[in-house]
Amino acid sequence: AQSVTQPDIHITVSEGASLELRCNYSYGATPYLFWYVQSPGQGLQLLLKYFSGDTLVQGIKGFEAEFKRSQSSFNLRKPSVHWSDAAEYFCAVGAGGGATNKLIFGTGTLLAVQP
Amino acid sequence: DGGITQSPKYLFRKEGQNVTLSCEQNLNHDAMYWYRQDPGQGLRLIYYSQIVNDFQKGDIAEGYSVSREKKESFPLTVTSAQKNPTAFYLCASSMFGSSGNTIYFGEGSWLTVV
Repeated sequence: AQSVTQPDIHITVSEGASLELRCNYSYGATPYLFWYVQSPGQGLQLLLKYFSGDTLVQGIKGFEAEFKRSQSSFNLRKPSVHWSDAAEYFCAVGAGGGATNKLIFGTGTLLAVQP
Repeated sequence: DGGITQSPKYLFRKEGQNVTLSCEQNLNHDAMYWYRQDPGQGLRLIYYSQIVNDFQKGDIAEGYSVSREKKESFPLTVTSAQKNPTAFYLCASSMFGSSGNTIYFGEGSWLTVV
């Protein structure tokens, strides 16, 4: 069965420091991978997505993610964190055969940014 | 502006009552979805619809019902049969129902049972 694991429930980083959020997936075929960000009480905003091609994907707000098939990982990175990046981050894999598009989400990583 | 509109933002329901959450999109998307979010559990799929007048159960459909009479609208009814309805509900849509299409989300609706 498809699944997504985000091993870190909560991470705290200092403003200006680098960030890496981990995501591991389990999927039998070529995965479609996504990172979303959610501010408190709001909907989810797409940061970036991987469908195929270059394994290093650039997204909005200075985020990037690298797809590593051998490690079944799709970690999210940012070289310098800003206070406005404090939010919850969700990794997701596109699941479902045929014409079905269902996302399987990880449980999220809550990011706190220290001044 | 194109987007997904959910209403109401906050809703209180007495036990034993049905309640309907509205979801409208003007993105001309074929597929629409309802997710439920609980703390520490991520998002779980309730129902999805790939075309008008057709919908399928997701992972946690018990106690919920939907309809898709128009392409733009996908309302969710939380029935009294749902044992633990207090949650944050997210509506979403995508251009097509095929894997790999980006799913876009609305701003969510908070439902509290009192």
